[in-house]
Order: sequence, then C-alpha cells, then structure tokens
Amino acid sequence: KAGVTQTPRYLIKTRGQQVTLSCSPISGHRSVSWYQQTPGQGLQFLFEYFSETQRNKGNFPGRFSGRQFSNSRSEMNVSTLELGDSALYLCASSLGRGLSEKLFFGSGTQLSVL
Amino acid sequence: GNSVTQMEGPVTLSEEAFLTINCTYTATGYPSLFWYVQYPGEGLQLLLKATKADDKGSNKGFEATYRKETTSFHLEKGSVQVSDSAVYFCALSDNSNSGYALNFGKGTSLLVTP
Repeated sequence: KAGVTQTPRYLIKTRGQQVTLSCSPISGHRSVSWYQQTPGQGLQFLFEYFSETQRNKGNFPGRFSGRQFSNSRSEMNVSTLELGDSALYLCASSLGRGLSEKLFFGSGTQLSVL
Repeated sequence: GNSVTQMEGPVTLSEEAFLTINCTYTATGYPSLFWYVQYPGEGLQLLLKATKADDKGSNKGFEATYRKETTSFHLEKGSVQVSDSAVYFCALSDNSNSGYALNFGKGTSLLVTP
C-alpha cells in the first residue's frame, strides 16, 4: 500500500508569490490534515479536511487555504508569501474516525521563501 | 487551551543507556496522548499512544504511561540503540473543536553514540 505522497519535495519562491502544495493520502483515507514545521515554532496545525469539508482550522492567517477533492487528494495554497512562511509543510492522512486515530505522515514539502 | 511541553534537546546517550524524555500536558477534557518519531529525512511516524488515564503505550521497546494526576506522558526505553537516533515529539489530540488536530511539543532530538 502506497504511503502519503507529497509533491513537490522542494520549492523555492520569492516574497509576494503564491504556492500550491499537493498531498495524496493513503488509499481509503478520507481525512487529510496539514502541519507547518519550523525550527522555532515546531509543528503547528494548519487545517483538516474530511470528505471535501474543512472540519478544523488552526491559527493561521487567511493567506493559508486548502481544499480536498472527491478522491481525497488535497492541496494547500499560500498566497502573498512572506519570509516567515519558509518551513517544512507536512501532510497527514487517516480514516478520520476519531481523535485517538493514528496519523500517517508524508515526507513533506520544504518551502524556501527568498 | 491545550498544550504540550517536552524537554529540550539535544539528548546524547551512549548505546545501551536508559532513556527518559519528559512530556507534560495541559488539556481540558480527556485527550489521547501520542509519541511520534521523525527519523532524518523522513516524515513523522506514530511510535505509541494512550487513550485514557493509566493506559501504557508501548512499541519497539519504548513505553509511556498516561498519568492524569501529574499530567505527564514521559517516554522511556531501557536500552537505546544507535538506530533510535531521531527527533521525538509528544502530542495530544485536541478535542476542543470538531475534526482532528494534534497539538505537538517542540520535539526532542536524541543522538545515540556507539
């Protein structure tokens, strides 16, 4: 069974640009969540989608948005990039049935904003 | 709100030494508690979990007990190996909203030397 796949693996952008990151969950998983990982702030929850609906959202500005498609694949978008958006963005998938459920993480997309 | 505090690293141990990584939490309700591990260049993997007070999670020689009275979930291993070198994250499920979100600690880097 294939794991969680994130593309691209690396991205370099400049301030003011926008970026789209993609995540393909494990087959059969309906929940996809996104996390931002930085050395200073650690891992912070961005949002979670289940069956194309956003169920939960973290404390990030509106520049961060996401969506989920009918095949459970998800994208997140960051508009008007800032230097502080440089981070490893991790996607995780699960069946979405409960709070004690195991999350399966992808290897992440490393975003550098210059 | 819910939060997790874990000891800062890096922690450096010799092979076969005893490991303890402290984790304490603040939460309303009855969250589930997790330890995730991140090996170099990889995404996070679930190491173990506990879903209620006094539960003990265990995996690969690692153990952690959900202590409600001390709001702790310390990670222990009796004899570490070089292959255990990784970053360890304590986390709790955030049940304050609908949907699935994890609150992570900042992570503790472990280096095991031969």
